[in-house]
Amino acid sequence: NAGVTQTPKFQVLKTGQSMTLQCAQDMNHNSMYWYRQDPGMGLRLIYYSASEGTTDKGEVPNGYNVSRLNKREFSLRLESAAPSQTSVYFCASSEVGLAGSNEQFFGPGTRLTVL
Amino acid sequence: RKEVEQDPGPFNVPEGATVAFNCTYSNSASQSFFWYRQDCRKEPKLLMSVYSSGNEDGRFTAQLNRASQYISLLIRDSKLSDSATYLCVVWNNNDMRFGAGTRLTVKP
Repeated sequence: NAGVTQTPKFQVLKTGQSMTLQCAQDMNHNSMYWYRQDPGMGLRLIYYSASEGTTDKGEVPNGYNVSRLNKREFSLRLESAAPSQTSVYFCASSEVGLAGSNEQFFGPGTRLTVL
Repeated sequence: RKEVEQDPGPFNVPEGATVAFNCTYSNSASQSFFWYRQDCRKEPKLLMSVYSSGNEDGRFTAQLNRASQYISLLIRDSKLSDSATYLCVVWNNNDMRFGAGTRLTVKP
């Protein structure tokens, strides 16, 4: 099993450009998440999807959109990139509903720089 | 005030030392608690869950104090391979809140 995969690994954008970060998991998990990680800030939740067909905003959703394409795939789109979106983006998945066992499995991350 | 606060460190300890990390959280309704480990430029990985009664996994011991809204992680007999950043994580209804992490370096 590959676990959680993300593409691309690295990306450089100019201000105003758009792009989509792809994420897929092969663990048959119901829930998927997008986080960003900035120095000194910890991981912050952008959007999550508790199950196929549903998405909800997290702590920092502004400037992003998501699509839960199917149970396996959850994409994150930046419509008009800004320098403040320079960050490392992590996708994660988890099997929700197991009491006390909300372990999240993370992908390797996408390092995005917006110039 | 951040929802989850950790001492950023860095903690520099010799091999074999015992080291403890602390974490406080602000949301008293938080339901589940975890410690994750993150190696440099890698993704976070679950180290252990934290239970109300406290729990131990080999050299690692986690404690939870709900009254004080405080979580701790104790590492005994530190190994070089323990060098990493340790993230305190608090869960409430599909909302995971991460601390900024405590960096540990174990030296020979």
